Amino acid sequence: EVQLVQSGAEVNKAGESLRISCKGSGYSFSTYWIAWVRQMPGKGLEWMGTIYPGDSDSRYSPSFQGRVTISVDKSISTAYLQWSSLKASDTAIYFCAREDSKSYSYWGQGSLVTVSS
Amino acid sequence: QSVLTQPPSASETPGQRVTISCSGSSSNIGSNPAHWYQQLPGTAPKLLIYNNDHRPSGVPDRFSGSKSATSASLAISGLQSEDEADYYCASWDTSLNGWVFGGGTKLTVL
Repeated sequence: EVQLVQSGAEVNKAGESLRISCKGSGYSFSTYWIAWVRQMPGKGLEWMGTIYPGDSDSRYSPSFQGRVTISVDKSISTAYLQWSSLKASDTAIYFCAREDSKSYSYWGQGSLVTVSS
Repeated sequence: QSVLTQPPSASETPGQRVTISCSGSSSNIGSNPAHWYQQLPGTAPKLLIYNNDHRPSGVPDRFSGSKSATSASLAISGLQSEDEADYYCASWDTSLNGWVFGGGTKLTVL
């Protein structure tokens, strides 16, 4: 069974760094792109970027380029989303999702990030 | 402002049919497949329709999708109370070199 399991809720202060994770199981982790999607409180879905675990090739939405870093450790089947300096506006739920021929068939449960100013 | 445009809300009574539209451009829906996701309150999105009109295994045939030129539509027939959710369209955008989502449509079953 394909599963994407994300790390738990985080509460941080503005200016702090943070890394959240997404662990894949039940499939060949290295051969499917993993994307990160943001959902701000009460708002819609926003595609942030994606990474190919096989070679760590990553691509970003212009809206998020330079603001976050997407990385992967294929040895432990885990993708990461990290910030070097959080802002209050980063408060959101972040989902990881696996891309395949059907678009995004599998999603993580979401990680709530709360940033206080 | 989302790249794909959806109506913010839709409503219909149980048993009836509702259609949700998604308007894009030549760089996304006009040249790439459209996909639809259902998000129930407090849960992760779920793939509902892929490649314009295909249903993943387990999705009832009450849900159907279509695409014409730069627009896509999601139709739900025989509405049930459990269909009350947010619905999002999505497509790859060749110009942006990334995925784009619609702003979402909140469906209310009256």
